Amino acid sequence: DVKVTQSSRYLVKRTGEKVFLECVQDMDHENMFWYRQDPGLGLRLIYFSYDVKMKEKGDIPEGYSVSREKKERFSLILESASTNQTSMYLCASIDRVNTEAFFGQGTRLTVV
Amino acid sequence: DQQVKQNSPSLSVQEGRISILNCDYTNSMFDYFLWYKKYPAEGPTFLISISSIKDKNEDGRFTVFLNKSAKHLSLHIVPSQPGDSAVYFCAASGLAGFGNEKLTFGTGTRLTIIP
Repeated sequence: DVKVTQSSRYLVKRTGEKVFLECVQDMDHENMFWYRQDPGLGLRLIYFSYDVKMKEKGDIPEGYSVSREKKERFSLILESASTNQTSMYLCASIDRVNTEAFFGQGTRLTVV
Repeated sequence: DQQVKQNSPSLSVQEGRISILNCDYTNSMFDYFLWYKKYPAEGPTFLISISSIKDKNEDGRFTVFLNKSAKHLSLHIVPSQPGDSAVYFCAASGLAGFGNEKLTFGTGTRLTIIP
């Protein structure tokens, strides 16, 4: 059973704080993704990684960075949190192209 | 630029009837399509997929239809059950190769099954 685990279900952070969201998958998948979900906007891709130390910008990378030092772990970093980054953050991994992505349970981040 | 569109933000269907959720896409390079279901405060879970070489794929109560010429796909759920109440996302991915593995999602349709 594929497992994608996000480190926190709920987070509350202050404006200007540096925030780390961690994601770990246990199925040796090559590709990992970070999305955010907002009402009326669906899931929007922030960053993805197709190999260790490799990363690609998604559709909304501004204000975010990522780190993939090990195959199983993909971290999303908010360099200086702002209130417009309040959202549900979802991590996903895919074994190979044209197969389904497996998602973590999501992290509800509130920036105050 | 929304490459995958779900034009109905919400849909209500009577229990036992058919639910039809629609999705349109603009990028002709997409060749694999998926439907996900999402409950509040949980991650999306995979439902069913279809390759661009097919026009129909069926799995139990769920059937996905693909019309490539119209760049349109639909998800049929029959019969609809109360547990089907959730947000449904359509997603598309491109051909294998650098930069094409990402999944692009639609905005979602909230399905409510009325008992």
